[in-house]
Amino acid sequence: NAGVTQTPKFQVLKTGQSMTLQCAQDMNHNSMYWYRQDPGMGLRLIYYSASEGTTDKGEVPNGYNVSRLNKREFSLRLESAAPSQTSVYFCASSVTGTGGWDEQYFGPGTRLTVT
Amino acid sequence: QKEVEQNSGPLSVPEGAIASLNCTYSDRGSQSFFWYRQYSGKSPELIMSIYSNGDKEDGRFTAQLNKASQYVSLLIRDSQPSDSATYLCAVRGASKIIFGSGTRLSIRP
Repeated sequence: NAGVTQTPKFQVLKTGQSMTLQCAQDMNHNSMYWYRQDPGMGLRLIYYSASEGTTDKGEVPNGYNVSRLNKREFSLRLESAAPSQTSVYFCASSVTGTGGWDEQYFGPGTRLTVT
Repeated sequence: QKEVEQNSGPLSVPEGAIASLNCTYSDRGSQSFFWYRQYSGKSPELIMSIYSNGDKEDGRFTAQLNKASQYVSLLIRDSQPSDSATYLCAVRGASKIIFGSGTRLSIRP
């Protein structure tokens, strides 16, 4: 089992460029998430998908879009990158327990710099 | 007031001692509580989850939950240099999960 995988590991973009971060999980989890982590800010939820075919906004969705392609894959798109989007991006997945979300397992992260 | 609060540290503990990490939360309806360990430059790794009041032990780790006082703690016994990391507390309420900013733990030889 690879767990949660993310590509790319590192990316440098110029302001205004677009890109898609890819995430896949092989644990048959139904829920998937995208977080960003900035120094001193902890993990902040961008978007999540409780099940295949559904997506919802998290705490900081502006400037991002997501696609839940199938049960395994959940992608994050930056349409027009801004320096404020420089961050480390983590994808996570979990089994959704009774009443909501449970233990999350994280991918290795994508370190994005926007110049 | 932040929804999940942790002391940012660094917390310095001698090798072999007990490290005590604390977390408070504001949502009284919170249902599930998690501790993640994050090494520098790496992703968070789940180490403990706790769902009911009291203690839960797993090896050298003990999670403690007190819903009346709205705090959850993590004890690490016989601390090792490999325990040096940032520890993130996460709390799930009715509709969302919130992470604290983390406590940096340093185990000194």
